Amino acid sequence: DTGVSQDPRHKITKRGQNVTFRCDPISEHNRLYWYRQTLGQGPEFLTYFQNEAQLEKSRLLSDRFSAERPKGSFSTLEIQRTEQGDSAMYLCASSLAVGVNSPLHFGNGTRLTVT
Amino acid sequence: LAKTTQPISMDSYEGQEVNITCSHNNIATNDYITWYQQFPSQGPRFIIQGYKTKVTNEVASLFIPADRKSSTLSLPRVSLSDTAVYYCLVGATQTGANNLFFGTGTRLTVIP
Repeated sequence: DTGVSQDPRHKITKRGQNVTFRCDPISEHNRLYWYRQTLGQGPEFLTYFQNEAQLEKSRLLSDRFSAERPKGSFSTLEIQRTEQGDSAMYLCASSLAVGVNSPLHFGNGTRLTVT
Repeated sequence: LAKTTQPISMDSYEGQEVNITCSHNNIATNDYITWYQQFPSQGPRFIIQGYKTKVTNEVASLFIPADRKSSTLSLPRVSLSDTAVYYCLVGATQTGANNLFFGTGTRLTVIP
């Protein structure tokens, strides 16, 4: 178990630029989640995949955000035309789709700073 | 959506037992109660999960009364390394992800 891996750990970009983050879940986990966390707040749900299917999206996820999980393994989160309000920690988590409630395993996040 | 209420912060001396209580008055029948720990610049880490009564693992205990409207995370003999934010979540991943609401958590500070 190598854990959930996120890349890059830090990203600084100028307003209006596009950015893409990658998440590699735990290999046998078929569920993958993206969360956003700002300073002093708990993580906020953005979107969720089971295998390659995107099953849920939060109302927080504007049209500038898109996520993919093309082969049911790694996932990417893209933010187009970044705004200063997008500055946050973007967290990825994975879990197994067995049982009633499988705990989430989080990566250490990508910290985005929009200048 | 089963939202939760936790104390914003708590302080404790090293070696003491710490109990953090979470209120979740509108918990649903299928919901589980899960606690996570988060250190600065890291993702949350799963601590313990339960449905009813008491659950214990190598790091914590979770007490859930019969009505399940609250739960208490118990950390025995805390050390400085237990200083972190603790989140209580109520929900069931089988019924989706939108119902997993983290809230602002409880910031525990362990004092030497």
